[in-house]
Amino acid sequence: GDSVTQMEGPVTLSEEAFLTINCTYTATGYPSLFWYVQYPGEGLQLLLKATKADDKGSNKGFEATYRKETTSFHLEKGSVQVSDSAVYFCARTTDSWGKLQFGAGTQVVVTP
Amino acid sequence: DTGVSQDPRHKITKRGQNVTFRCDPISEHNRLYWYRQTLGQGPEFLTYFQNEAQLEKSRLLSDRFSAERPKGSFSTLEIQRTEQGDSAMYLCASSLGTVGEAFFGQGTRLTVV
Repeated sequence: GDSVTQMEGPVTLSEEAFLTINCTYTATGYPSLFWYVQYPGEGLQLLLKATKADDKGSNKGFEATYRKETTSFHLEKGSVQVSDSAVYFCARTTDSWGKLQFGAGTQVVVTP
Repeated sequence: DTGVSQDPRHKITKRGQNVTFRCDPISEHNRLYWYRQTLGQGPEFLTYFQNEAQLEKSRLLSDRFSAERPKGSFSTLEIQRTEQGDSAMYLCASSLGTVGEAFFGQGTRLTVV
């Protein structure tokens, strides 16, 4: 069936390093794509989204581009901070009612 | 605080007992979703509501599970005759209809012993 696959963690980085988290999906049609973030002790928060091919979502220095040809939505940040330590989830819509299918999550640990 | 709130935050119950969780969505949001998350996995869809109408139930939701959203406001998720496999984080989310822009609560962590 359709799925969302993201790279396994934990990803451990030093502050100011470049972060990439890979996400690929399989789907019929053209879903909307999202990155959600879960900071320690908090609920899931929408980080960014893209609703059609070639759209770029961006927020808080993070970016991701909807690539239809490679069915990917990789998350990037040029210079991470300790406060970016969290679990990041890639997700796609599965219908027009906003139902989401999530990847397994990638834990990111940023050290000073 | 005008976010999504869930109650209780933690619940420990004995196998075979019934439990009920409550979710209060953001007040103007007409869509409400329930997800379940187990350790090391992403949230999995359980069910959702448009106002008071339950539109879909996942196959994950056995007959022991029931959800309601009376009057299109808060929602409850009840699990009857709990099993150890029900241990998970139960997440509630709401949205105003903008696809995918769901706001999540902090979840209810259920432990069945």
